[in-house]
Amino acid sequence: DTGVSQNPRHKITKRGQNVTFRCDPISEHNRLYWYRQTLGQGPEFLTYFQNEAQLEKSRLLSDRFSAERPKGSFSTLEIQRTEQGDSAMYLCASSFSGGNDYEQYFGPGTRLTVT
Amino acid sequence: QKEVEQDPGPLSVPEGAIVSLNCTYSNSAFQYFMWYRQYSRKGPELLMYTYSSGNKEDGRFTAQVDKSSKYISLFIRDSQPSDSATYLCAMSARQAGTALIFGKGTTLSVSS
Repeated sequence: DTGVSQNPRHKITKRGQNVTFRCDPISEHNRLYWYRQTLGQGPEFLTYFQNEAQLEKSRLLSDRFSAERPKGSFSTLEIQRTEQGDSAMYLCASSFSGGNDYEQYFGPGTRLTVT
Repeated sequence: QKEVEQDPGPLSVPEGAIVSLNCTYSNSAFQYFMWYRQYSRKGPELLMYTYSSGNKEDGRFTAQVDKSSKYISLFIRDSQPSDSATYLCAMSARQAGTALIFGKGTTLSVSS
């Protein structure tokens, strides 16, 4: 499968714990996006990387959230001191600059439940 | 008021029906309009893309954009049970390297 992959697919954690999610984009894609989706809502943008550079961050991305893409390939999203309001589906998408960049390809998401 | 409004439904139709899904938006800077399909517990899948105003057809799907009314539509002809999913409209002001602004999604159920 050469699509966007995300791990883990599901994560249950207790309030106050830290969690980290991983996204592996399509191999030739240099742009990578993180979105968050809650039940009954569309995805909301969190942050965006071009190669290893984090170029844009939403105000939704509080200080407890940090994202990295150290070598311009996979990316990690860490949430520190999780809160119940962090329960959501975390979606990663990738696209290729120089192609039809509007075509953001989404992964299956990581579903986070904070108890 | 949210930037993108979409009726969440649910919308239930019989197989073979023509389905009309709609979104309105408030930001006149939006120029790129997308429709995504999302099956339960899966990531969104890009269906259609339109730049500025006009129509675009792809098989049973037609996307329309009316920028003067800030209104976009997706029509599905000869709907099939496999079309049952949530349909999300998404928009952006730039073509490249930008966040997509999504509607809430409309849940469609096609019965056989």
